[in-house]
Amino acid sequence: DGGITQSPKYLFRKEGQNVTLSCEQNLNHDAMYWYRQDPGQGLRLIYYSQIVNDFQKGDIAEGYSVSREKKESFPLTVTSAQKNPTAFYLCASKDELTGDNSPLHFGNGTRLTVT
Amino acid sequence: AQSVTQLDSQVPVFEEAPVELRCNYSSSVSVYLFWYVQYPNQGLQLLLKYLSGSTLVKGINGFEAEFNKSQTSFHLRKPSVHISDTAEYFCAVSEADAGNQFYFGTGTSLTVIP
Repeated sequence: DGGITQSPKYLFRKEGQNVTLSCEQNLNHDAMYWYRQDPGQGLRLIYYSQIVNDFQKGDIAEGYSVSREKKESFPLTVTSAQKNPTAFYLCASKDELTGDNSPLHFGNGTRLTVT
Repeated sequence: AQSVTQLDSQVPVFEEAPVELRCNYSSSVSVYLFWYVQYPNQGLQLLLKYLSGSTLVKGINGFEAEFNKSQTSFHLRKPSVHISDTAEYFCAVSEADAGNQFYFGTGTSLTVIP
């Protein structure tokens, strides 16, 4: 079955450490996204990428970095510069070929806890 | 930029009762509208979408939504809820000709009471 795989599901880190969250998709989608979810705040866009080797900052990119070396993969690094990194992180993808009206497809998320 | 408002942060409802979850968006440009459901510690799953045509759209699990352009609303309804409908529901909007940006509401937590 096609889908988006995020790993690990739960991640624990000490403050001051960088951590990388994995996102892999086999849907052959061009566009990929990273969202952060906090209770009562909905989803906030961190970064998105419409094509390999290109990505754009979203609304809350500070303290995060991404790469898009392969179409299938869009890893997110949470750096030590991110002041409040504990959150639920969601990766999504979108089929650009079917046009603007395609929905987002989501992975099952990674819950990051930093202490 | 769009803003999406889900006025009700929590909606308790008894099992087998009807429910309506409200969603309003800000822009008058052409939009695509989506409702997603999220179960605890999982990702978002698409319930239904409005792209064009009939203003009443039907989705999975017996949900439906009605697009009202004049009121810039896209309310989600179900005539009879089940315990299994307990979840978080998100309304999302993307703009025609700018389809890479999605705007999400803050979510409505639906709790079905036995």
